[in-house]
Amino acid sequence: TQLLEQSPQFLSIQEGENLTVYCNSSSVFSSLQWYRQEPGEGPVLLVTVVTGGEVKKLKRLTFQFGDARKDSSLHITAAQPGDTGLYLCAGAVSNSGNTPLVFGKGTRLSVIA
Amino acid sequence: NAGVTQTPKFQVLKTGQSMTLQCAQDMNHNSMYWYRQDPGMGLRLIYYSASEGTTDKGEVPNGYNVSRLNKREFSLRLESAAPSQTSVYFCASSEIGDNSPLHFGNGTRLTVT
Repeated sequence: TQLLEQSPQFLSIQEGENLTVYCNSSSVFSSLQWYRQEPGEGPVLLVTVVTGGEVKKLKRLTFQFGDARKDSSLHITAAQPGDTGLYLCAGAVSNSGNTPLVFGKGTRLSVIA
Repeated sequence: NAGVTQTPKFQVLKTGQSMTLQCAQDMNHNSMYWYRQDPGMGLRLIYYSASEGTTDKGEVPNGYNVSRLNKREFSLRLESAAPSQTSVYFCASSEIGDNSPLHFGNGTRLTVT
């Protein structure tokens, strides 16, 4: 059973369109992180959300943490080809500081010019 | 600033051969991790080391061993490689704490024939 479910698994859109990807769980997380991975490279952190209901913006990317801290979403406005990549969410289940992050399977985004 | 360095970048092994994947970080991080990434499976944790001198199993430890050589270095060993271990392996490091981001290397692409 996957602890973090990401949807959709694949997404192909035209440049300029908006999109939202989701990260859902039945578990409560102390924090959630979003990463982007490009071909041949390791994932790179985009943002960490910590408080239920929190919204963070990073240029055209908007991240939201659910009120119950069980889910998160990433919204991209006016997508550009440079946004192409694999988007991964990762959650910390406990507050102990010693539990490794759990990753979702990712959403592979392709933005066509 | 190199961050997390993994060697080698590519490796081909025959079934039954052994090898060690090397990882070093220069950020003075306490925690280090080994993940494998397979198509459609996301990132799965093999082993981690919360701090120098400790190692723990992750989700998929069978067939692997690790050594935390010092604070900088964390190696992953395959004693008898199997085709099921064909994957891309990522090393990561972080500070202790649920909100601490993971810093990834660029991966080792391993093929076992």
